[in-house]
Amino acid sequence: GAGVSQSPSNKVTEKGKDVELRCDPISGHTALYWYRQSLGQGLEFLIYFQGNSAPDKSGLPSDRFSAERTGGSVSTLTIQRTQQEDSAVYLCASSLEGTSGVDSDTQYFGPGTRLTVL
Amino acid sequence: GQNIDQPTEMTATEGAIVQINCTYQTSGFNGLFWYQQHAGEAPTFLSYNVLDGLEEKGRFSSFLSRSKGYSYLLLKELQMKDSASYLCAVSPYNTDKLIFGTGTRLQVFP
Repeated sequence: GAGVSQSPSNKVTEKGKDVELRCDPISGHTALYWYRQSLGQGLEFLIYFQGNSAPDKSGLPSDRFSAERTGGSVSTLTIQRTQQEDSAVYLCASSLEGTSGVDSDTQYFGPGTRLTVL
Repeated sequence: GQNIDQPTEMTATEGAIVQINCTYQTSGFNGLFWYQQHAGEAPTFLSYNVLDGLEEKGRFSSFLSRSKGYSYLLLKELQMKDSASYLCAVSPYNTDKLIFGTGTRLQVFP
């Protein structure tokens, strides 16, 4: 597609329920990233994929958070037993090859999924 | 680790020039990025600095000084549509992620 797409755009859930957030990266981009943005906070890195593997999961805040990527394309971020502090905008980004300091590694962001946990 | 600081808010007048500063403490990074984010929208890429100096792209320019731990984004001929948050981010060595500052919210007034 023309850009990174994410679904749903908004998700309201009850505390304790599981949610799945989807990201479709730009076609041909091998690197995919998940970030989250809480109110008044900067973007916080969650996880990075190169192809289908995740060499950097260091930003996942707890074992309730997991992500997978299939076919080197679509990625799903799953949050189990959601808590109110999980409420945030979850942003996905993709880049051609991964950050190494060249123009082709610029990250392009999707519109995000706004998650509200009641 | 990395600590990135930006002013929280700035205001400016249409047609003016504004400079948004970003200071950081980091053990080393590949490059420094600037993104623009309108309220409720995705961040969009503006510029990228690897070497010290000024990178110019139309009305927007970005400057980096590694020795001083300092970058700035310069916006010329401000337009109302430039009202947005501006995010400074670094890509640390040996990682594949961006570390973001909290962003500077710029309001442009007529």
